[in-house]
Amino acid sequence: AQKVTQAQTEISVVEKEDVTLDCVYETRDTTYYLFWYKQPPSGELVFLIRRNSFDEQNEISGRYSWNFQKSTSSFNFTITASQVVDSAVYFCALVWANNLFFGTGTRLTVIP
Amino acid sequence: GAGVSQTPSNKVTEKGKYVELRCDPISGHTALYWYRQSLGQGPEFLIYFQGTGAADDSGLPNDRFFAVRPEGSVSTLKIQRTERGDSAVYLCASSLRPDGYGYTFGSGTRLTVV
Repeated sequence: AQKVTQAQTEISVVEKEDVTLDCVYETRDTTYYLFWYKQPPSGELVFLIRRNSFDEQNEISGRYSWNFQKSTSSFNFTITASQVVDSAVYFCALVWANNLFFGTGTRLTVIP
Repeated sequence: GAGVSQTPSNKVTEKGKYVELRCDPISGHTALYWYRQSLGQGPEFLIYFQGTGAADDSGLPNDRFFAVRPEGSVSTLKIQRTERGDSAVYLCASSLRPDGYGYTFGSGTRLTVV
């Protein structure tokens, strides 16, 4: 069975702090894809990153970085020097059977 | 259009009524998906179209829910005999390919059944 667990329901940080959002997944597939999406108050899901299972190299994009650990089935997301505009709900997701299977999300609040 | 358009953005209906939610995908995107997002939850898959046909409708919760995409572009999600438990945000996404890459989501339709 496919499962995505985001154990952190809500996180609050003060602006400029670093924050890591955790994601643990379960899948029987040997090849799979993982995603992170951002959902601001407007409601639209904004794509952040796609990672395939055979590429464990960590990725950095500006203030965002992702740590993929296949051995622990984790795909964690770090925001460095957080900003108020980062406040949103963040979803980790796994592609299964041609569609996205989402975790329950982590609500991040960045306090100015 | 430039993005995925969903109408209406908000819909309030009485229990037992019929509703239609519309999704206008990005031009040329052959894959179209409907998801339902309840309060405090992640989006849950409902149905996936490849072209005009429903390739996977395993997420539809019961036979009150139905979706069509007659010309391979615009899709309509139809809910009959609405119940209060149907209240949620209904999200549509489209993509050039069905492997999750390049999904673009719309802003959703917030359905409230009173």
